[in-house]
Amino acid sequence: DAKTTQPTSMDCAEGRAANLPCNHSTISGNEYVYWYRQIHSQGPQYIIHGLKNNETNEMASLIITEDRKSSTLILPHATLRDTAVYYCIVRVGGGSYGQNFVFGPGTRLSVLP
Amino acid sequence: SAVISQKPSRDICQRGTSLTIQCQVDSQVTMMFWYRQQPGQSLTLIATANQGSEATYESGFVIDKFPISRPNLTFSTLTVSNMSPEDSSIYLCSVVGGITGELFFGEGSRLTVL
Repeated sequence: DAKTTQPTSMDCAEGRAANLPCNHSTISGNEYVYWYRQIHSQGPQYIIHGLKNNETNEMASLIITEDRKSSTLILPHATLRDTAVYYCIVRVGGGSYGQNFVFGPGTRLSVLP
Repeated sequence: SAVISQKPSRDICQRGTSLTIQCQVDSQVTMMFWYRQQPGQSLTLIATANQGSEATYESGFVIDKFPISRPNLTFSTLTVSNMSPEDSSIYLCSVVGGITGELFFGEGSRLTVL
């Protein structure tokens, strides 16, 4: 079973920041938080990941709470092309990576014009 | 990053037949993974394909139904055997790559069984 919970769906106005929350209250010390997204009919795309520090790349920012029990993915200026299902995944480090990437239902983000 | 190509991208098949999906990676990787995504659902790991050994299947998936080959470090196949309409799904190949250990996915193979 997935170790994360996310809202089923969210809307965001084009040009505004999209803040996608994820709860991972049972996360352990060696587990990372990964975010992926899946645009309709495409394979999932890696966005960002982090352990305990906030992270930023060209796609998004990841804010992880100090207790690591939740995180927020931020798309700073959402565009229509950001409409997708966003998956938050908690991954145990090392070993069989594939078995550790457990996908939950994700959040369906709709960016509205 | 890893570039993954899957064939076929989509197919329509008859009940009772089998289909083999191919996955080609542009670099050598130890493990390749096969996922299934049923309509409107999230991804479920089918099996892990290791070069030179038997694939490791997840609970609910068996080798007779989903035989996997892994002849070298850049290629794998997944066969969906004796298909039924319930096998209609997107089948995705993935590998771990990059310095951050993330999963890379192919574009998937959309299978419809009539």
